[in-house]
Amino acid sequence: EVQLVQSGAEVKKPGESLKISCKGSGYSFTNYWIAWLRQMPGKGLEWIGVIYAGDSETRYSPSFQGQVTISVDKSIETAYLQWNSLEASDTAMYYCARPQTGHSFNIWGQGTKVTVSS
Amino acid sequence: SHVLTQPPSVSVAPGETARVTCGGNNIGGKNVHWYQQKPGQAPVLVIHYDSDRPPGIPERFSGSNSGDTATLTISRVEAGDEADYHCQVWDSPTDHYVFGTGTKVTVL
Repeated sequence: EVQLVQSGAEVKKPGESLKISCKGSGYSFTNYWIAWLRQMPGKGLEWIGVIYAGDSETRYSPSFQGQVTISVDKSIETAYLQWNSLEASDTAMYYCARPQTGHSFNIWGQGTKVTVSS
Repeated sequence: SHVLTQPPSVSVAPGETARVTCGGNNIGGKNVHWYQQKPGQAPVLVIHYDSDRPPGIPERFSGSNSGDTATLTISRVEAGDEADYHCQVWDSPTDHYVFGTGTKVTVL
């Protein structure tokens, strides 16, 4: 079964760093892109960026460029989303998802809830 | 960048037809994809390539796309169709993914 499994919920303080993960299984990991998306409470989906697992080519939404870092460790078939200094406004649910031909997302992780509060 | 506008909410009685629109400049020239998201769950792809249903999606779900508006149509609405629906395109000039503002479908 093709699936993406994300790391668990996090509670952090403003200014702290964080790295959440997304592990792929059931498919050839290095042949696909993995995207990260944000959903703030009660809001719609926002595309953060995408990484090609084979060579780590990365593209970011202008809204998130410089705010987060997307990376991948293909040896353990895992993609990451990282913050160096969290803000309260980073509080949201974060999803990883695998785009398919045609650029729709047919495989989604279960989501990682990030709460940033002092 | 591309902006996709959806109505915040749509209400429909059971058995009737719900239509959710997704507006964008010349969206008819792009492939539009639709996702269903129930509370506390990850989104699920219900329509891709404007009107194609992935395996397992009921025939009650259909889509169309022309001009500046794409539409998701849910026929013979059931209580289980109550969810948020999101449209999405890929903007080829920028290689960016763009989502609509989302629509909450309420079954009365």
